[in-house]
Amino acid sequence: GAVVSQHPSRVICKSGTSVKIECRSLDFQATTMFWYRQFPKQSLMLMATSNEGSKATYEQGVEKDKFLINHASLTLSTLTVTSAHPEDSSFYICSASDWVGGENTEAFFGQGTRLTVV
Amino acid sequence: LAKTTQPISMDSYEGQEVNITCSHNNIATNDYITWYQQFPSQGPRFIIQGYKTKVTNEVASLFIPADRKSSTLSLPRVSLSDTAVYYCLVGDMDTGFQKLVFGTGTRLLVSP
Repeated sequence: GAVVSQHPSRVICKSGTSVKIECRSLDFQATTMFWYRQFPKQSLMLMATSNEGSKATYEQGVEKDKFLINHASLTLSTLTVTSAHPEDSSFYICSASDWVGGENTEAFFGQGTRLTVV
Repeated sequence: LAKTTQPISMDSYEGQEVNITCSHNNIATNDYITWYQQFPSQGPRFIIQGYKTKVTNEVASLFIPADRKSSTLSLPRVSLSDTAVYYCLVGDMDTGFQKLVFGTGTRLLVSP
């Protein structure tokens, strides 16, 4: 299957700083990318959906000024956690889809980024 | 979006067949059913997808009854490495993109 790469895989940052997480589709063009957050022993929670060249659509309860999403090209989306606090520590996962109509396609997931805010 | 309900956990032994059933009573006409597998600290991995009847690939089978209000993921002869969380999702593939909303998932533990 297609490959989605996240970077970094793990990051530790100080409280109050910002952290950027990159999500790249390596061998296909992602028309849509999704960002999730997952706490230990819990399911993935969808944070936002982004389409290339347009503003992201955030799920209810997700602060768009705190979690900045940019989808500048068909192969790259970034999530920036601004003014991070310890409660933002979590596992962040992106997924990408190249669906443009017609037959079904699956969404491909990155390997996730473990963020620890100290 | 259709909500899914799965058992929270299941236990099995190596070599056994495991069937995980998912309920999606409010599935819409255009919704497809997709199953993902997730290991700790990794992103979910696609297992199988179907719309109706039966779908089979090299790792699993997916059984969908005629009313499509449920589906069953069948894993033949599981091994220890199949210990993971399995998620059932339904989503509309025909209207632009599939917004994937994850339910609780089923935590499968395979023992020797």
